[in-house]
Amino acid sequence: AQKVTQAQTEISVVEKEDVTLDCVYETRDTTYYLFWYKQPPSGELVFLIRRNSFDEQNEISGRYSWNFQKSTSSFNFTITASQVVDSAVYFCALSEARQGAQKLVFGQGTRLTINP
Amino acid sequence: GAGVSQTPSNKVTEKGKYVELRCDPISGHTALYWYRQSLGQGPEFLIYFQGTGAADDSGLPNDRFFAVRPEGSVSTLKIQRTERGDSAVYLCASSLKGGPNYEQYFGPGTRLTVT
Repeated sequence: AQKVTQAQTEISVVEKEDVTLDCVYETRDTTYYLFWYKQPPSGELVFLIRRNSFDEQNEISGRYSWNFQKSTSSFNFTITASQVVDSAVYFCALSEARQGAQKLVFGQGTRLTINP
Repeated sequence: GAGVSQTPSNKVTEKGKYVELRCDPISGHTALYWYRQSLGQGPEFLIYFQGTGAADDSGLPNDRFFAVRPEGSVSTLKIQRTERGDSAVYLCASSLKGGPNYEQYFGPGTRLTVT
């Protein structure tokens, strides 16, 4: 069975601080995909990144970076120099890669509050 | 272009009533997904359509829940004999094709409250 755990329910930091959101996953598949989504107060989920299980290279996009480590089944998300607009709920998700398996399995989410 | 739209945005109904929730996917997207998000939780998968057919309905909680997509575009999620435990935000997503290679674009959701 697949499972995604985001142990941090809420995080609150002051603007310009760096913050890391943790994600640990469980799957029996050797091929899978990992995702991060942002859910701002408006409620609409916004796609941030997709990572294939064969690609363990870390990725950086502006102030966002992702650290994928298969050895620890983790896919952590770091925001550098946080801004108030980063305040949202962030979800990590997992999808199998086999034919017919299309659904996303989400973690419980981490509510991030950036204080000015 | 237009994103995924869902109507109504809010629905309040009495226990035992029937409700229909509508999803308009992005034009040209063949895959459509329904998820349910309870307060303080992540979205939970309900059903996935590829074209007109339900390719995976393993997430539907019981036979009170049913979804259709008769023309391969708009989808309707139908809930019979609603219960208070059905209260949640129902999210719809679409993607160009099925599979994790294709990003799922989410709609704003329908907040269902069963009193």
